[in-house]
Amino acid sequence: RKEVEQDPGPFNVPEGATVAFNCTYSNSASQSFFWYRQDCRKEPKLLMSVYSSGNEDGRFTAQLNRASQYISLLIRDSKLSDSATYLCVASGTASKLTFGTGTRLQVTL
Amino acid sequence: DTEVTQTPKHLVMGMTNKKSLKCEQHMGHRAMYWYKQKAKKPPELMFVYSYEKLSINESVPSRFSPECPNSSLLNLHLHALQPEDSALYLCASSQETSYNEQFFGPGTRLTVL
Repeated sequence: RKEVEQDPGPFNVPEGATVAFNCTYSNSASQSFFWYRQDCRKEPKLLMSVYSSGNEDGRFTAQLNRASQYISLLIRDSKLSDSATYLCVASGTASKLTFGTGTRLQVTL
Repeated sequence: DTEVTQTPKHLVMGMTNKKSLKCEQHMGHRAMYWYKQKAKKPPELMFVYSYEKLSINESVPSRFSPECPNSSLLNLHLHALQPEDSALYLCASSQETSYNEQFFGPGTRLTVL
């Protein structure tokens, strides 16, 4: 079983739609969680950290459920520029980020 | 300024060449990382430096040799690479090693002929 699992997609959604990505992690010792976005042939960029209380940044909302070892990302009012691969990341032992394989999002007109 | 810079952007080298990748950050971060990323795969951790000391080596072959000359700079020396080493090499930094967000540089796209 992979340490961080994501649906690879692709998710094809029209502009303006709401889309949700889910991610599960297997290491219960994981302490910190993040969503990164990666455009084709570019570096991963930190989108947001994920907290137990949930957090929101504009159109993006992230949630963490430690009991179920589950992380989610909700994107509202999707834009064409949101098209990218979204990487779910868990940080377990110090320094080491464990990446999911990524979920590809394609927003269309 | 959350910026990590890397040079060169692209590198083509033969299997007998010696080359170096460079990474720099001016955010005062004390942890720096090297990752390797193949197409359609997530980044794989190679090395971690904490306070200029190597703290993690993920069983990387000795043809990759990291160096941290000071708290802002990280190098990756390459020697006798194989074609399967062709990948995007990413540098990242974070405030400390413990559970902090990591910020990535744009990467060096390496091709080994």
